[in-house]
Amino acid sequence: NAGVMQNPRHLVRRRGQEARLRCSPMKGHSHVYWYRQLPEEGLKFMVYLQKENIIDESGMPKERFSAEFPKEGPSILRIQQVVRGDSAAYFCASSPASGSNQPQHFGDGTRLSIL
Amino acid sequence: DQQVKQNSPSLSVQEGRISILNCDYTNSMFDYFLWYKKYPAEGPTFLISISSIKDKNEDGRFTVFLNKSAKHLSLHIVPSQPGDSAVYFCASSDTGRRALTFGSGTRLQVQP
Repeated sequence: NAGVMQNPRHLVRRRGQEARLRCSPMKGHSHVYWYRQLPEEGLKFMVYLQKENIIDESGMPKERFSAEFPKEGPSILRIQQVVRGDSAAYFCASSPASGSNQPQHFGDGTRLSIL
Repeated sequence: DQQVKQNSPSLSVQEGRISILNCDYTNSMFDYFLWYKKYPAEGPTFLISISSIKDKNEDGRFTVFLNKSAKHLSLHIVPSQPGDSAVYFCASSDTGRRALTFGSGTRLQVQP
């Protein structure tokens, strides 16, 4: 499967725990994006990363949320001390490095539920 | 502040007819526009895109039209098929930022 891979597909956490969401981009893609979708809403941009660099984190909450895309391995979106309002679908997308007008291709998301 | 708006939450058309989905945007810096299709429990699937230097782009049954003066784009699907039933999102970005701004989606139902 050459598509964007996200895991886990479903994640259940209790309030106060940490959530780690993983994303492996499509082969040949070096740009990764994270989006969040609340029920009945569109996707909202959170962060844009290239290998070892955060390029744009303007959509990411300042507290409790962090993202990384290390030289080796998948991109990780980390949510510390989760709260009920963090329950959402989190989607990762990737695009190639060349050219600015390149479509982003999405994974199937991680559904995060907070008890 | 919704910079990308899809004012029709749902649309129902007969199989074989044309489906027209609409999208309006307010940010004049947007210069790249995309349409995605989404099935439940799956990620958005890229359909077609258009840059602001064009006013039309076609790919098979899908055509996107861009009216820059009206800040309006539309997706035409013809002929519509039952497998097209899904939620359709329009999205926009400007060259300086790759972040996509999405509309809230339109649920298309194609009746056999």
